[in-house]
Amino acid sequence: GNSVTQMEGPVTLSEEAFLTINCTYTATGYPSLFWYVQYPGEGLQLLLKATKADDKGSNKGFEATYRKETTSFHLEKGSVQVSDSAVYFCALLSHNNDMRFGAGTRLTVKP
Amino acid sequence: DAGITQSPRHKVTETGTPVTLRCHQTENHRYMYWYRQDPGHGLRLIHYSYGVKDTDKGEVSDGYSVSRSKTEDFLLTLESATSSQTSVYFCAISEQGETETQYFGPGTRLLVL
Repeated sequence: GNSVTQMEGPVTLSEEAFLTINCTYTATGYPSLFWYVQYPGEGLQLLLKATKADDKGSNKGFEATYRKETTSFHLEKGSVQVSDSAVYFCALLSHNNDMRFGAGTRLTVKP
Repeated sequence: DAGITQSPRHKVTETGTPVTLRCHQTENHRYMYWYRQDPGHGLRLIHYSYGVKDTDKGEVSDGYSVSRSKTEDFLLTLESATSSQTSVYFCAISEQGETETQYFGPGTRLLVL
């Protein structure tokens, strides 16, 4: 079946550091790929998405590129802020409404 | 933000009692979903609905039932709660399903003693 694997956390960075959170997937067909962010005590918010190979999703300085050849959708940000501290989830959605999430990566950014 | 509310936001109950969680949307979206979130598992789909009275099972549907009598409301029922159903439950909606973006509610934290 479909699945998502993302790097285990927690990840701790200093402010203005470069962020990469790895995400790889297994799926049949051509799923859509998402990054969601969850702040403490809240639901998940869509951060960015890509619906086909080589698409780049971007939002709030975060980027991820849909790489079909490596089945990856790594999240990157050039300079993180304290306000980026949250849990990040990689997810895929296939055409039969099968939504699969990674286990989540907790990011803490220190001043 | 998508207009999604969940009630209750917190609940403590005892093993063997029935529990119903409610998801309400004001977006008139066709698809609604129930997930549970557990450490180390991310979110897992319990059930979803693709229209009034139309529902289907997800990855972890055992022990749960759902109903949708109106577009705006999607109910999740634990017929006889067990401690393994202690979790945070999230509702989500999407306009068209399939590869459309899902938008999430604030969650319900359920503790089964």
